[in-house]
Amino acid sequence: GAGVSQSPSNKVTEKGKDVELRCDPISGHTALYWYRQSLGQGLEFLIYFQGNSAPDKSGLPSDRFSAERTGGSVSTLTIQRTQQEDSAVYLCASSPPGSGQETQYFGPGTRLLVL
Amino acid sequence: EDQVTQSPEALRLQEGESSSLNCSYTVSGLRGLFWYRQDPGKGPEFLFTLYSAGEEKEKERLKATLTKKESFLHITAPKPEDSATYLCAITGGAQKLVFGQGTRLTINP
Repeated sequence: GAGVSQSPSNKVTEKGKDVELRCDPISGHTALYWYRQSLGQGLEFLIYFQGNSAPDKSGLPSDRFSAERTGGSVSTLTIQRTQQEDSAVYLCASSPPGSGQETQYFGPGTRLLVL
Repeated sequence: EDQVTQSPEALRLQEGESSSLNCSYTVSGLRGLFWYRQDPGKGPEFLFTLYSAGEEKEKERLKATLTKKESFLHITAPKPEDSATYLCAITGGAQKLVFGQGTRLTINP
């Protein structure tokens, strides 16, 4: 079946502009995660959605970052007033319902460059 | 705080030269340890999940093992197409993955 898809694959924006990144999880997966991968650094957790529960936003680096998940499926990560340090690859992952030990499957990422 | 440390940062091998990558972790209550492969410009590709000490998983030339403190990814007779960055990650009390910095593996023909 289809994997996790993300759009756009690349985004170039100017400092101060807002951007929206989209994630379509694997069908039937109830959990959805956003991570950020900066050059020379590891993957950094941003936010986690599980079903209808309140999201775990503990990884969001500032209040310029927000995310929502509509209808328990598609998610959008929004970065307001982008800064150059926001340049990174933003990765989305999803996992099936279960006990919390489930494997997360990643999308190809959105490469964001803030000029 | 949950932590993952991978070593070495980079490893160059000749085709057919077997070796191991290390992933050391600290966590209060391991729920799962995960190995991913990441090729340049792509998202991480799932390889293995290990849940308890003593567990082993194999896939082609790769074998992952787990103890209470670390995991090893053994690569037997590697080929150039095994060249990639290998990422180790854990989940503890929270659902989020905590990743190591990765090991960049290059297999020379």
